[in-house]
Amino acid sequence: NAGVTQTPKFQVLKTGQSMTLQCAQDMNHNSMYWYRQDPGMGLRLIYYSASEGTTDKGEVPNGYNVSRLNKREFSLRLESAAPSQTSVYFCASSEEIGRGGYTFGSGTRLTVV
Amino acid sequence: DAKTTQPTSMDCAEGRAANLPCNHSTISGNEYVYWYRQIHSQGPQYIIHGLKNNETNEMASLIITEDRKSSTLILPHATLRDTAVYYCIVRVYNFNKFYFGSGTKLNVKP
Repeated sequence: NAGVTQTPKFQVLKTGQSMTLQCAQDMNHNSMYWYRQDPGMGLRLIYYSASEGTTDKGEVPNGYNVSRLNKREFSLRLESAAPSQTSVYFCASSEEIGRGGYTFGSGTRLTVV
Repeated sequence: DAKTTQPTSMDCAEGRAANLPCNHSTISGNEYVYWYRQIHSQGPQYIIHGLKNNETNEMASLIITEDRKSSTLILPHATLRDTAVYYCIVRVYNFNKFYFGSGTKLNVKP
């Protein structure tokens, strides 16, 4: 049982390049999330998907787009990467609304130069 | 979600109980207290949550005061592998997003 799997684990981009971070969960969870974590700060919510077919903005959505491809997969896209998007990105999932804790992936370390 | 206040860092001797406090004086009646931790370079890990009663699982115990304005996470026998940042989060049970603050850095020392 893999839980939440994120790819890639590391990525270096040049300013203006685009890329998609992939996330998949195998726990049949309905809800999925993308967070970013910057040095000295907690996790900030970028986007979330309460259920398949729905997405909503979190605290810091600017510069990002998401796709809930199916129940298992939730991708995060950077259309034109900027140095300010250098961060560690975490994907997470949870069961039906309000049940239990969130399961997080191991993260993607992104550097934009 | 209600605001939480945690100490920036704490030390604990290996094998002793680690007691991590959290203040959430503005908590609402329908908000749960959740605890997560993050070991360096890994994703956050869910530990425990509760509403008003004390809770215990294989990882930890959660003690919530009667007025629910504060809580304590207890790791009964801390090990070096428990060194991590611990986050206390308060959120509505059926609201599906929440924010992490800065947490408490727990240093378990030999």
